[in-house]
Amino acid sequence: NAGVTQTPKFRILKIGQSMTLQCTQDMNHNYMYWYRQDPGMGLKLIYYSVGAGITDKGEVPNGYNVSRSTTEDFPLRLELAAPSQTSVYFCASSQPGQGGYEQYFGPGTRLTVT
Amino acid sequence: GDSVTQMEGPVTLSEEAFLTINCTYTATGYPSLFWYVQYPGEGLQLLLKATKADDKGSNKGFEATYRKETTSFHLEKGSVQVSDSAVYFCALRGLGGGNKLTFGTGTQLKVEL
Repeated sequence: NAGVTQTPKFRILKIGQSMTLQCTQDMNHNYMYWYRQDPGMGLKLIYYSVGAGITDKGEVPNGYNVSRSTTEDFPLRLELAAPSQTSVYFCASSQPGQGGYEQYFGPGTRLTVT
Repeated sequence: GDSVTQMEGPVTLSEEAFLTINCTYTATGYPSLFWYVQYPGEGLQLLLKATKADDKGSNKGFEATYRKETTSFHLEKGSVQVSDSAVYFCALRGLGGGNKLTFGTGTQLKVEL
């Protein structure tokens, strides 16, 4: 049981490039999330999903897109990378009604845009 | 909207000292409250939680009590160890759908010998 896995661990992008951050969970959780963590700012929710085919915006969705075609996978897409998207990105999952709604986090992807 | 305010860090303590990290919140109704811990280079892990007023969450020697009257959920530990050095996040789960969490900005704890 690997939990929540994210790839890559590190990435450097040039301004204007695009990339997809991968997230997979093997706990059969319906709910999945993407956060970004900036120094001194805590975690901000980018997008979330309550099940396959259903996604919704969080607090800071601009510049990102998501899809949820399966229960296990929740990729995050950056179309035109900007320096403001330099951050650490965390994926998380949870299952309603289990464990007091605990969210389980992946190890993170550190992204630098130059 | 919902918000969480934590004391700023870093907090530096000697081993075996008493720890308090303050957390207050603003939310509609009765949110669930959480403390998450992030060790260097890792993702967040749930440390403890409380789902209703006056509940006390506890784990690994850490405790926090859900105080509705003061809208607080302060984290305490009687005797910290070097291995407790990490960043601690207070969070709440509000009434909206999706089981979304609102996080505080985090408090870095450094424990020295």
